[in-house]
Amino acid sequence: EAGVTQFPSHSVIEKGQTVTLRCDPISGHDNLYWYRRVMGKEIKFLLHFVKESKQDESGMPNNRFLAERTGGTYSTLKVQPAELEDSGVYFCASKTSGKHEQFFGPGTRLTVL
Amino acid sequence: GQSLEQPSEVTAVEGAIVQINCTYQTSGFYGLSWYQQHDGGAPTFLSYNALDGLEETGRFSSFLSRSDSYGYLLLQELQMKDSASYFCAVRDPGGAQKLVFGQGTRLTINP
Repeated sequence: EAGVTQFPSHSVIEKGQTVTLRCDPISGHDNLYWYRRVMGKEIKFLLHFVKESKQDESGMPNNRFLAERTGGTYSTLKVQPAELEDSGVYFCASKTSGKHEQFFGPGTRLTVL
Repeated sequence: GQSLEQPSEVTAVEGAIVQINCTYQTSGFYGLSWYQQHDGGAPTFLSYNALDGLEETGRFSSFLSRSDSYGYLLLQELQMKDSASYFCAVRDPGGAQKLVFGQGTRLTINP
């Protein structure tokens, strides 16, 4: 079974630019999560999808962040315009409903200069 | 809210045993999980404790005491490949079942 994949693995952009991160969850996983880890701190929740619907976006830092999950399959997270404090590693995770374990992707390391 | 405390760094030698502690404060408790993350890799699920006691999976064991809001991950027969960051996490009581993580413990194994 293929795991959670994320693209790109690294992204370096300048302040004010736009970046779009992509996550492909494990096939059949209805639940998709985005998390972020900034500068060695804890991994923090950003938002949660069930299929194509946003269930909880309480962790999104501000309106510069926009997440979508087209057709309930892959998800994108767009940052526009990027700020220096957006630098960090963005993780995607997926799971099936009724199960506890979340499966994480390898993350996208975003550096905003 | 939820918060977790764990040591930032632990060092051990190959073949030894190490224990990584985690204390938590939660408004509701739905189990304690442990994840391992190698540099540049994906956090990987190791264990989940919903009830008090010890859960063993190979060289790794995880313990939970709900009355003490405390758990630990025990790694035995340490190998160099066990060098990684280890995160404890609790499940938020909300419907999203999102995970709330500790800051992670960097485990370094020396020969």
